[in-house]
Amino acid sequence: AQSVTQLDSQVPVFEEAPVELRCNYSSSVSVYLFWYVQYPNQGLQLLLKYLSGSTLVKGINGFEAEFNKSQTSFHLRKPSVHISDTAEYFCAVSGRSGTYKYIFGTGTRLKVLA
Amino acid sequence: ETGVTQSPTHLIKTRGQQVTLRCSSQSGHNTVSWYQQALGQGPQFIFQYYREEENGRGNFPPRFSGLQFPNYSSELNVNALELDDSALYLCASSLEGTGEAFFGQGTRLTVV
Repeated sequence: AQSVTQLDSQVPVFEEAPVELRCNYSSSVSVYLFWYVQYPNQGLQLLLKYLSGSTLVKGINGFEAEFNKSQTSFHLRKPSVHISDTAEYFCAVSGRSGTYKYIFGTGTRLKVLA
Repeated sequence: ETGVTQSPTHLIKTRGQQVTLRCSSQSGHNTVSWYQQALGQGPQFIFQYYREEENGRGNFPPRFSGLQFPNYSSELNVNALELDDSALYLCASSLEGTGEAFFGQGTRLTVV
């Protein structure tokens, strides 16, 4: 079984400042890791994914994340945020076989301030 | 290639009624999963269908049921609606063995 913890429910940050959204996971098996963004009244858009290979993953809109197996973390970072990045961000994990069901965290609301 | 489409986008039902939500998977994808996202929460896995068979189920009661058709589209049916069933229902399609799912825009269900 897997679980995901997003440590911050809300993160306020000024425009053009860097941001890090934290995600820790627990799993007894090897996993795939994902970050999704959700804008109000919309579905989920994939930001980036870790399936295998390099532990530093680059995604869309200037976001990146680093898979740290020893710390079971997959923190999301952006060096300079924009007002348009204001949204809800979800970290998700799935096992590498079987159902591939996603376990999501509770989300982090990123609010970018002018 | 077409993405994942869900219908309807919004609907309102009365407690005790039944509802059917529909999902067309991305072209070439043979696996469909359904998730429930309550307000302020992360999505919760309901169940998954692979080649028309249920292939895993989350912690949801039997009144949540589904179907997958030969063209890999899918339906989610919920009987005896309760107020707590009010949520955004998300469909995700994937290709077996890839571990990556693509989500639709969701159906917002309100039970009154």
